[in-house]
Amino acid sequence: GAVVSQHPSRVICKSGTSVKIECRSLDFQATTMFWYRQFPKQSLMLMATSNEGSKATYEQGVEKDKFLINHASLTLSTLTVTSAHPEDSSFYICSAPLTRDEQFFGPGTRLTVL
Amino acid sequence: AQTVTQSQPEMSVQEAETVTLSCTYDTSESNYYLFWYKQPPSRQMILVIRQEAYKQQNATENRFSVNFQKAAKSFSLKISDSQLGDTAMYFCASSGGTSYGKLTFGQGTILTVHP
Repeated sequence: GAVVSQHPSRVICKSGTSVKIECRSLDFQATTMFWYRQFPKQSLMLMATSNEGSKATYEQGVEKDKFLINHASLTLSTLTVTSAHPEDSSFYICSAPLTRDEQFFGPGTRLTVL
Repeated sequence: AQTVTQSQPEMSVQEAETVTLSCTYDTSESNYYLFWYKQPPSRQMILVIRQEAYKQQNATENRFSVNFQKAAKSFSLKISDSQLGDTAMYFCASSGGTSYGKLTFGQGTILTVHP
């Protein structure tokens, strides 16, 4: 099947710094990618839809100035957590749809903010 | 808007036995897709099975099958001959409308298979 990668897999940063997470579709083009956030033993919550060539669409309650999304190319979307704080510590997962009923998930990024 | 509800936070089953995970959903879309995903301790999301709402026949994938009751908006997952490797968190999810690939997830069910 298709492959979606995420980098880094784990990141630890100090409070107040910014962290960038990359999501790449390795063998297909994705005009749309999705970013989810998952707390331990909880469900995946959609944060935003990343659109190639246009602005991201954020879900209600998600701070767009806090979580900057850039869909730089047909294979790359980035999520930047700006001025990170301990409450931003979480597991971030991206996905990219290949067809209407098939999407592929990245392996996730564990963010820890000290 | 779509909602997905999984009412079983945790389930357990003996190896080789059968277990059913429940899921109900609500959607205003005329065509939509339903999915079951498995998330093992590695946290990589793995597709278990999918169903298109227009298809009346229940989807099956080896030991995994669904009971899709469209009128009742129910989409349960049956795992037959449970194996230790089936131990994971299972999520029911739906997508539909113009934004395909955008998934709404249920709360998840932690399944433990005991030897």
